[in-house]
Formats: sequence, structure tokens, C-alpha cells
Amino acid sequence: EDQVTQSPEALRLQEGESSSLNCSYTVSGLRGLFWYRQDPGKGPEFLFTLYSAGEEKEKERLKATLTKKESFLHITAPKPEDSATYLCAVQAVSGGGADGLTFGKGTHLIIQP
Amino acid sequence: NAGVTQTPKFRVLKTGQSMTLLCAQDMNHEYMYWYRQDPGMGLRLIHYSVGEGTTAKGEVPDGYNVSRLKKQNFLLGLESAAPSQTSVYFCASRWTGNNEQFFGPGTRLTVL
Repeated sequence: EDQVTQSPEALRLQEGESSSLNCSYTVSGLRGLFWYRQDPGKGPEFLFTLYSAGEEKEKERLKATLTKKESFLHITAPKPEDSATYLCAVQAVSGGGADGLTFGKGTHLIIQP
Repeated sequence: NAGVTQTPKFRVLKTGQSMTLLCAQDMNHEYMYWYRQDPGMGLRLIHYSVGEGTTAKGEVPDGYNVSRLKKQNFLLGLESAAPSQTSVYFCASRWTGNNEQFFGPGTRLTVL
């Protein structure tokens, strides 16, 4: 059974204080690992897809990295508008690509001015 | 280009009542998905569809039925609602050659 564990559950940072969110996963074969951002009362918004260990992707203050067992979402010099819940999800090879994603519970990030 | 839309945004049902949630996408996506999101849990897949006229079960399909009569629409039905189906329901869609799923804004359902 595919599993995704995110840590910490919640994180409070001061504006400009860099940190990392962790996503550990167990999957029979990884087709892709996904990061989403979710604001209160809204649907998840796509951030990144990572496909193989060693891959990195960046977008503004966010950088996602992938190893064979986990992924990190690094947040550099965050701003209050980066406050959100960050979701990690995996897609297994066994599903043939058609089935859905297995999500973690998310990390609730608060950036204080 | 509206993306993925969901109707209704909110709904309150009594136990035993039925309802249908509508998901529509205008991106010509082949794949469509229904998830539910509960406090303290990750999004869980209910049903999905790989194309018009096809559906398949996800992780938590019991108590739900789906239909994909048109490519752009994916309907989620609750025949006899139960309090355990109180949740936020999200629809998503994607192209065949791209794994990125686009999500709708969600439907908040309360079953009393």
C-alpha cells in the first residue's frame, strides 16, 4: 500500500526565516511525486512534479528536491503570502498512470510578518 | 477558460437523502477524478474516469456512484447519504500525457 507522511504537521516561521518541509513516501514504484499548495476554502493548486531521485525544481521562493525515500520543499526567505497548507502526493507505476494520487495529510505553514 | 468547476459549493442533507455533485472542465481533459478531504486526513480518491463512458473505483468508493456521459462532465452521486459522508469533495482532471491534476474549488457537504 502506498503511503505518504508529511512533517511537521504545522510550522510557524517569521518572515524571512527559511525552512524545509518533509515528505516521506513508500510506493511500489514511483511514477511521480507532486507538491500542491492549498489555501483555506480552496482546491489544491499545483506546484511541482518530480520524477526521479536527484531531480530539483524551483519556483520563486520554493524549491523541491527528491530522493529515493523522501522529498523536501525548501522555502527561502518566506513572505506572509506563502502561508498555506502544502500537500505532497505520489503516483505509483502500478496504476498505469490512470489512477489517482495518494496524498499526505499536509503541512500547515504560517509566516508571521 | 473556467478550468474545473464544481456545483454546488455548499449543501446540507439529511440522512437518507440523495444528491448529485457536478464537476465540469473545459480543458478537454481525458482523465477526471473525485476525491474527498476530511480533517486530519489526506485527500482520498473515491472514483475516477479515463474517458467518456468509463469509470473505475478508487480507495473509498462505497456509498458513491459516478457517471461520465460527456467528456467534460463527471458526476458523483450519493444515493442514501450518511453522516460519514460529511466532507469536502474535490474534482480534478488532467491530460493523458501529463500527470499534473487540476483541481476544482470543492463542494462542502454536511449530512445531518
